[in-house]
Parts: sequence; C-alpha cells; structure tokens
Amino acid sequence: GDSVTQMEGPVTLSEEAFLTINCTYTATGYPSLFWYVQYPGEGLQLLLKATKADDKGSNKGFEATYRKETTSFHLEKGSVQVSDSAVYFCALTPNDYKLSFGAGTTVTVRA
Amino acid sequence: GAGVSQSPSNKVTEKGKDVELRCDPISGHTALYWYRQSLGQGLEFLIYFQGNSAPDKSGLPSDRFSAERTGGSVSTLTIQRTQQEDSAVYLCASSSHRGSRQETQYFGPGTRLLVL
Repeated sequence: GDSVTQMEGPVTLSEEAFLTINCTYTATGYPSLFWYVQYPGEGLQLLLKATKADDKGSNKGFEATYRKETTSFHLEKGSVQVSDSAVYFCALTPNDYKLSFGAGTTVTVRA
Repeated sequence: GAGVSQSPSNKVTEKGKDVELRCDPISGHTALYWYRQSLGQGLEFLIYFQGNSAPDKSGLPSDRFSAERTGGSVSTLTIQRTQQEDSAVYLCASSSHRGSRQETQYFGPGTRLLVL
C-alpha cells in the first residue's frame, strides 16, 4: 500500500547548521507530497508541498524537491535556528484526500 | 482569519464512558477530516466529510466510533464505551473544496484523550 518512510530521530543540531530530513515514499499513481511541522504545544502546520514531479516546495528557508525517479521528498534547510525545533512529518496523498504520514522526526536546535 | 478549533483540548475519562469531541473548521471550508495520533500507530485517517455527508468512514477503527457534521460546519466525533486503546490525540482538519490530493488540509490543535 501507500506509505512514507522518514529518517528516525531525534536529530540534534547547533544553530546555523545544515538540516536534512530524508523522506521516501511508496505510492501508486501520482501523489502529492507534503511536509508538516508540529512546534511544541501547537498543532500540525503545513510547511511546504509539491504536487507533481520536479516541483520544489519552499517556505521559511526550508526546501524539498519532488523526485519521482528516487521516490523521495527530502527536507533541507541551510541554516537552522532554535525556533526550528519541532517535529517534522512527511506525508502524501496518493490518489485522494487521505493523508498518509511518516512517523515524524524530532529536531532540536541548540543555541 | 480564525483557524480550525477543537474542544476540549484535553479530556480524561473512565473506561466504558462515552465522549464527544468537537471540531469547528475554517469558515467556508466544505471538506472536513478527522485523524488520530497515537504512540503506537502514528497519524491515522479516520473519516472524511464533504458538506454534511461522510462518503468515507473507512478509517473508523470500530463501531464504537461515529461522527456527524451539521450545517456544513461543526463536526462531532463520538466514542462510545471508551477503551484504554482509544487514548490518543484526535486531530481535525479542513480544506476549502471537494477534497482532492492536491489540497492543503489545515489542522486544529487537537484533543488529547486519556482513558483510565
């Protein structure tokens, strides 16, 4: 079935470090891909999305490119801040509206 | 504008009791979704509403779970005879149109349910 696999955490970084969170997927058809973020004590927020192959989603300095050939949607940020500490979820909607989420990756950024 | 709101934010109940969880979607959003976030299962889809109809209830884990939506707005998720395995965070989301794979779903803060 359709699924998302993302790198396990927790990930701990220093401020201004480079962040990569790997995400790969299995899906039939042409899914849309999403990164959601959950800050401490808050609900899920959309970070970025891409709806077709080779699209790049970007927001708040984060980027992810929809790679159909490698079935991947890795999240990157060039210089993280303490405020980026959160849980990050990769997700897809394969053919309809049902979001399938990865397990989540906890990221902690130290000053 | 206002986002998706849910109430209560926390609920503690005893095994066997019924609970009702409420979701107020973004005004004008016709599609509404319920998900569950639990330690063992991660984030799971429960049910999808389009207007007041629920064309997809495939994620409801048992017949103890039911949901309704009235006036194309507020939705209530009801769990009857709660069990300890129902303990989770219940998330509601809404989107603006008919529910498609490309739409962004906007999530509420969730209701944390603990069944003792």
